[in-house]
Amino acid sequence: QVQLQESGSGLVKPSQTLSLTCTVSSGSVSTGGYSWNWLRQPPGKGLEWIGYIYYTGSTFYNPSLKSRVSISVDRSENQFSLRLSSVTAADTAIYFCARGDWGLYYLDYLGHGTLVTVSS
Amino acid sequence: QSALTQPASVSGSPGQTITISCTGTSSDVGRYQYVSWYQQFPGKAPKLMIYEVFKRPSGVSDRFSGSQSDNTASLTISGLQAEDEADYYCSSWTPTSPYVFGTGTRVTVL
Repeated sequence: QVQLQESGSGLVKPSQTLSLTCTVSSGSVSTGGYSWNWLRQPPGKGLEWIGYIYYTGSTFYNPSLKSRVSISVDRSENQFSLRLSSVTAADTAIYFCARGDWGLYYLDYLGHGTLVTVSS
Repeated sequence: QSALTQPASVSGSPGQTITISCTGTSSDVGRYQYVSWYQQFPGKAPKLMIYEVFKRPSGVSDRFSGSQSDNTASLTISGLQAEDEADYYCSSWTPTSPYVFGTGTRVTVL
């Protein structure tokens, strides 16, 4: 059973950079067949896909966030990370990391999520 | 890429059958068989219920089924139970974004 756990700062000031890490257990970010994704959900609202990274290091981002997003992978720690720059209050959300099937495009394992609040 | 359209709420009595629609366009739902459905309880992470339009992951009840017609995908819950009360989201692959989610549907068991 693959497990994912988000970690990082829960409070970020406006204009600064949000940074989160997802630690993967019972699975490897270094093998093919899966993408490693970030999603978010503003309080009381719907889901939004942010982007993914593949084991090769290739990335694909939501066009609406592309200019501010960066996802990287640390194979030695079996982790992948999200950086979102120039945050505003609109970026306040629960952030989830997830494993996606490469080719069939569904998310089969998700972390519990972590709330990030953007406030001064 | 705009969100897929779902009804805000659907309700039914225990034992009934309900259907949640997910409407896209001929460029996403209507063209690709990469529609998935997720169940989410308050304060919890979404859980995969259906993938590739109609396939169920191991462990998901066969009371949940998926289908697609033209630009609309549907999730049907038969034999509705109190434990099915949750939010449900569809998702579809598109050429510009691999995961475009629906607006979400709150299922209420009366």
